[in-house]
Amino acid sequence: GAVVSQHPSRVICKSGTSVKIECRSLDFQATTMFWYRQFPKQSLMLMATSNEGSKATYEQGVEKDKFLINHASLTLSTLTVTSAHPEDSSFYICSADSGSSTYEQYFGPGTRLTVT
Amino acid sequence: ILNVEQSPQSLHVQEGDSTNFTCSFPSSNFYALHWYRWETAKSPEALFVMTLNGDEKKKGRISATLNTKEGYSYLYIKGSQPEDSATYLCAFDYGGSQGNLIFGKGTKLSVKP
Repeated sequence: GAVVSQHPSRVICKSGTSVKIECRSLDFQATTMFWYRQFPKQSLMLMATSNEGSKATYEQGVEKDKFLINHASLTLSTLTVTSAHPEDSSFYICSADSGSSTYEQYFGPGTRLTVT
Repeated sequence: ILNVEQSPQSLHVQEGDSTNFTCSFPSSNFYALHWYRWETAKSPEALFVMTLNGDEKKKGRISATLNTKEGYSYLYIKGSQPEDSATYLCAFDYGGSQGNLIFGKGTKLSVKP
């Protein structure tokens, strides 16, 4: 149980284009999903917290107009990187709240984004 | 700024060796400490969630201890196997915004057969 999928696993796009990444909880309902980013040799950094049916909460320094998050259902959240630049190249990974009292999170396998 | 440190950064051991690594975190505002195992091209897998000072948890050959007063947790692997090769992440939960985990950079373990 508690499987989270992420699509695509790898994407290359041209500078200026937009890319959408999907995160799905396959066997449970997730009222809260999280989006993280990891640059090489760095730790996972939380970008935003996404609650179903409401606006996402962004961490300091993360541009909400650039990283659009939609959490329209209890099993799907999407992250759209708009007008991508090479510095947006990174590893993006989502997680979903299991609903337990200790806020255990279940992660997707991540998406490697390369902007050329 | 909340900081989580993991050491060592990487570790190479032979099959059968026992090993351990450390996660250091702030000793104040503690809510929970999470350990994950992350194999290449897969999702990070939750190993333990630890909440009480002195907690000791075990899953097969892997165990973890927690000291919230001094701000550290140890992860132990007994009799390492090649399939234990992965990056082990710890994450500090200070009980702030729901699910706001502060991750360390991880310890990358390689077990040679």
